[in-house]
Amino acid sequence: GENVEQHPSTLSVQEGDSAVIKCTYSDSASNYFPWYKQELGKGPQLIIDIRSNVGEKKDQRIAVTLNKTAKHFSLHITETQPEDSAVYFCAATPNQAGTALIFGKGTTLSVSS
Amino acid sequence: DGGITQSPKYLFRKEGQNVTLSCEQNLNHDAMYWYRQDPGQGLRLIYYSQIVNDFQKGDIAEGYSVSREKKESFPLTVTSAQKNPTAFYLCASNQRRGAANTGELFFGEGSRLTVL
Repeated sequence: GENVEQHPSTLSVQEGDSAVIKCTYSDSASNYFPWYKQELGKGPQLIIDIRSNVGEKKDQRIAVTLNKTAKHFSLHITETQPEDSAVYFCAATPNQAGTALIFGKGTTLSVSS
Repeated sequence: DGGITQSPKYLFRKEGQNVTLSCEQNLNHDAMYWYRQDPGQGLRLIYYSQIVNDFQKGDIAEGYSVSREKKESFPLTVTSAQKNPTAFYLCASNQRRGAANTGELFFGEGSRLTVL
């Protein structure tokens, strides 16, 4: 089955700096890669996703890149703000019936002002 | 408002007791999921269901049971066989995209179970 590794586990940046979180996956059949943000005491929420036919996707200050050959994908947050502080999870799944999202262990991002 | 409702938010249980966590969704989603969250462990899949009266085991199904008698409901029972049940439990749902479950996953706000 799929296994997703996520690094780093914690990340501290100054407001305005960029933050990068990296994930690797094991199943070459995986082709859907979402990123979720979890604020304290709440359930995770989708912030951006990418499918295997696209190498990069941007949405304002966040972007995701995908390298299928190397089986890794990354989340980039530019111009970080204190409200970006949260736990971020990457996930992967094959585009097949009967499968579910497998998540990485999460990255706790702290943005200090 | 449409969404996923989990109850109770906090639950305390004595060792040896079974406990059932409720999950209800009014999003008309086909698929529902249960994840367990422990510090430093991320979200681990317990069970999921793609359609009423059908469900599959996830990576850590031992000591848990589920049912899917109605589309909107997917309760999780933590049995006495679960060796370390203290955790934060998250329920989620999504709409399938074609044959695959790659629609956006919507989460509830979680249930925190503590075994005394």
